[in-house]
Amino acid sequence: GEEVAQTPKHLVRGEGQKAKLYCAPIKGHSYVFWYQQVLKNEFKFLISFQNENVFDETGMPKERFSAKCLPNSPCSLEIQATKLEDSAVYFCASSDPPGGVDYGYTFGSGTRLTVV
Amino acid sequence: SQQGEEDPQALSIQEGENATMNCSYKTSINNLQWYRQNSGRGLVHLILIRSNEREKHSGRLRVTLDTSKKSSSLLITASRAADTASYFCATATTRDYKLSFGAGTTVTVRA
Repeated sequence: GEEVAQTPKHLVRGEGQKAKLYCAPIKGHSYVFWYQQVLKNEFKFLISFQNENVFDETGMPKERFSAKCLPNSPCSLEIQATKLEDSAVYFCASSDPPGGVDYGYTFGSGTRLTVV
Repeated sequence: SQQGEEDPQALSIQEGENATMNCSYKTSINNLQWYRQNSGRGLVHLILIRSNEREKHSGRLRVTLDTSKKSSSLLITASRAADTASYFCATATTRDYKLSFGAGTTVTVRA
């Protein structure tokens, strides 16, 4: 079946280095969401897109985090000058219609970022 | 931030038994969704219940929703070892569509 593809699966960065994560949503899904799972059981919303437009960025630490969803390219989440506290699993999800009202959201398998 | 709470935090049951977990939330919602996360993996959507629905079934899953109490429950009947996972409830609003997750219930099914 269709899936949300996230790359890389694992990423190790030294403190202060840049990290870039990618997400290819399901074709035809117009909404993309990024979540951060720091502890095993806590999901934090970061940002959402409607197509290539930022829809909600209330969860983003803007000083170091940025994200894009450009046409015909995977969406990306970039962290400049990573900190130890950025170590987490980053999940991308896509949906259509918005709110997952018919079928819920489809999540990728995540990128585990380890900052050392 | 986390929308609500789930209880219990952890549940250990024998294969064949039923597992019930509860979720409470704080704000008005459009729908409530349940997801499963196997260790080290992504989230898998299990079932969605809309705010105007009270109960929904899907295979061995039964979900209830009480909007007056802002709570939901997930029942897994005749559990199997493969049901061992963490289960999360998540609510979505029509305002911003982002999912707000509960803290999760870790279910262990013993063979």
